[in-house]
Amino acid sequence: DAGITQSPRHKVTETGTPVTLRCHQTENHRYMYWYRQDPGHGLRLIHYSYGVKDTDKGEVSDGYSVSRSKTEDFLLTLESATSSQTSVYFCAISESVSGGNTIYFGEGSWLTVV
Amino acid sequence: KNQVEQSPQSLIILEGKNCTLQCNYTVSPFSNLRWYKQDTGRGPVSLTIMTFSENTKSNGRYTATLDADTKQSSLHITASQLSDSASYICVVSLQTGANNLFFGTGTRLTVIP
Repeated sequence: DAGITQSPRHKVTETGTPVTLRCHQTENHRYMYWYRQDPGHGLRLIHYSYGVKDTDKGEVSDGYSVSRSKTEDFLLTLESATSSQTSVYFCAISESVSGGNTIYFGEGSWLTVV
Repeated sequence: KNQVEQSPQSLIILEGKNCTLQCNYTVSPFSNLRWYKQDTGRGPVSLTIMTFSENTKSNGRYTATLDADTKQSSLHITASQLSDSASYICVVSLQTGANNLFFGTGTRLTVIP
């Protein structure tokens, strides 16, 4: 298993509160990603990073921000959580974006916004 | 529009039987196609990766096939086991970019004794 740790694994929060999810990797991979997974949808990319302090938006980035101050850590922040952000969040890592490159996923963070 | 469609949405089979899951895609320009297994409450785990030139790839009892001309892939599971119960996700990549993965919604497989 790839060395990816997500925290917290489960969280319940109230609407309007800030929430930060953390992803920590021990593989020294350059690329890190945050996805959300909802019923009826495939995994959808929120934000990704291609190096320290280098990030870009994905398909569903509204309401989310990210930061990567170290190679091993990638933080996802919901500035003011809404019920539509109730979801399962997966962090992923990869060495490169070339063909044949494996993308490894963390175990997920279950977030409920009430 | 780049899309990945999987069928069936769900499938129930008896332990020991074989099954085949389907993936059709419209992603272009195509780079590679991955199959992932996702156990309930866990993250997806890679089963196979196939590039444009590969027609088949095996991983134990899992065999993936790819027809790049018709843009179809299948995942065949042989002699199913209870531990095969999971969602199987087809993922197709564009040729360039980090934001280049297109995910299917998965097939939920249940293997019953």
